[in-house]
Amino acid sequence: EADIYQTPRYLVIGTGKKITLECSQTMGHDKMYWYQQDPGMELHLIHYSYGVNSTEKGDLSSESTVSRIRTEHFPLTLESARPSHTSQYLCASSLPTGVNEKLFFGSGTQLSVL
Amino acid sequence: KNEVEQSPQNLTAQEGEFITINCSYSVGISALHWLQQHPGGGIVSLFMLSSGKKKHGRLIATINIQEKHSSLHITASHPRDSAVYICAVRSLGSGGGADGLTFGKGTHLIIQP
Repeated sequence: EADIYQTPRYLVIGTGKKITLECSQTMGHDKMYWYQQDPGMELHLIHYSYGVNSTEKGDLSSESTVSRIRTEHFPLTLESARPSHTSQYLCASSLPTGVNEKLFFGSGTQLSVL
Repeated sequence: KNEVEQSPQNLTAQEGEFITINCSYSVGISALHWLQQHPGGGIVSLFMLSSGKKKHGRLIATINIQEKHSSLHITASHPRDSAVYICAVRSLGSGGGADGLTFGKGTHLIIQP
């Protein structure tokens, strides 16, 4: 069912490298989100967007940045990766809140920073 | 701050058993989601509830707004149901969007053949 795509699926990089995690959806959703999830722990919101040129930081402090130049594309960038950034990153989009509210998730990017 | 607690944290059962996973939260909500996360990370939305009960196949979700509690039931469980089941709630007055959604840590379910 998923029409939301994340790349890469796995990424192992060295400290100090700049990386961009890609997320695209073909459903025309205005709302998109980035979550961070450590093993056995809950999802934490790091960024969200309500539409083109709209981005906000989430509850969890993050050194990453996002952009939303096109409705379908919501990339996340780390300018200088550190071992503390090792985690799983999940991209999501949603239908508007209300009776038909529903979340759609990508398959995630497992990031390891050495 | 809304707290979301799930129980049990881990559950191992035999194929065919009736499964119940619980979710409790601490503040008023406008919506509650049940999500399924398979090994490898992908998450699928199962239900969104604001009241009552919903059924889809072998899955049933119920919510009691007064008691701030929801349950997810699986009938005739099967090994392919093995996954992490996550409860997420949207607090009242959050204005919608992602800023009002709080996630539980999930229940890790294993169904043995």
